Amino acid sequence: QVQLQESGPGLVRPSETLSLTCAVSGYSIGSGYYWAWIRQSPGKGLEWIGSIYHGGSVYHNPSLKSRVTISVDTSKNQFSLNLNSVTAADTAVYYCARPRSGTYYSAFDYWGQGTLVIVSS
Amino acid sequence: QSVLTQPPSISGAPGQRVTISCTGGSSNIGAGYDVNWYQQLPGTAPKLLIYGNNNRPSGVPDRFSGSKSGTSASLAITELQAEDEADYYCQSYDSSLSGMFGGGTKLTVL
Repeated sequence: QVQLQESGPGLVRPSETLSLTCAVSGYSIGSGYYWAWIRQSPGKGLEWIGSIYHGGSVYHNPSLKSRVTISVDTSKNQFSLNLNSVTAADTAVYYCARPRSGTYYSAFDYWGQGTLVIVSS
Repeated sequence: QSVLTQPPSISGAPGQRVTISCTGGSSNIGAGYDVNWYQQLPGTAPKLLIYGNNNRPSGVPDRFSGSKSGTSASLAITELQAEDEADYYCQSYDSSLSGMFGGGTKLTVL
């Protein structure tokens, strides 16, 4: 059973960098699939942040691309999100997710429980 | 504002049938990219409901069905039940390789 678990600071100061990690169990990241970050601002809809393949190919939401870094660590079976120069608008529940199939254009079948990150001084 | 447009809210009585629309454009749904649907209960992560336009994952009741035509897609829920009250999101991709979600639809069971 594939399981994903987000972790990271729940509070980040404005202009600083938000850093989150998604630990994966039940599946080896190095075996394939695109691994995604998705967020949801309070009371709002879902927003795709980006996806990374174990080999390093990364795709980003154009609206966030200049501030986002997504990386993968196959030795630790986890992938990470860095979002720099954060503002209050980046306050959200951040989810990591894995799609149903190994193709890029696939539905997200496995989700972490989500972690709330608040941007505030 | 989301690239995929959904009605903000819909409602229906128990036993009724409701549909949720998801309207995109020529670079996403109209370009042939699949549409997926998710159900989100309060305080929980989204759950995959429909994938590949009209396929149900194991365990999803056949009361839920999806369809796609042109630049739009729809989610239909028949025999509406109180437990169906949730937020529903469509999701697809576009030719720039970006993932995208609809703005979400809040379903109220009267």
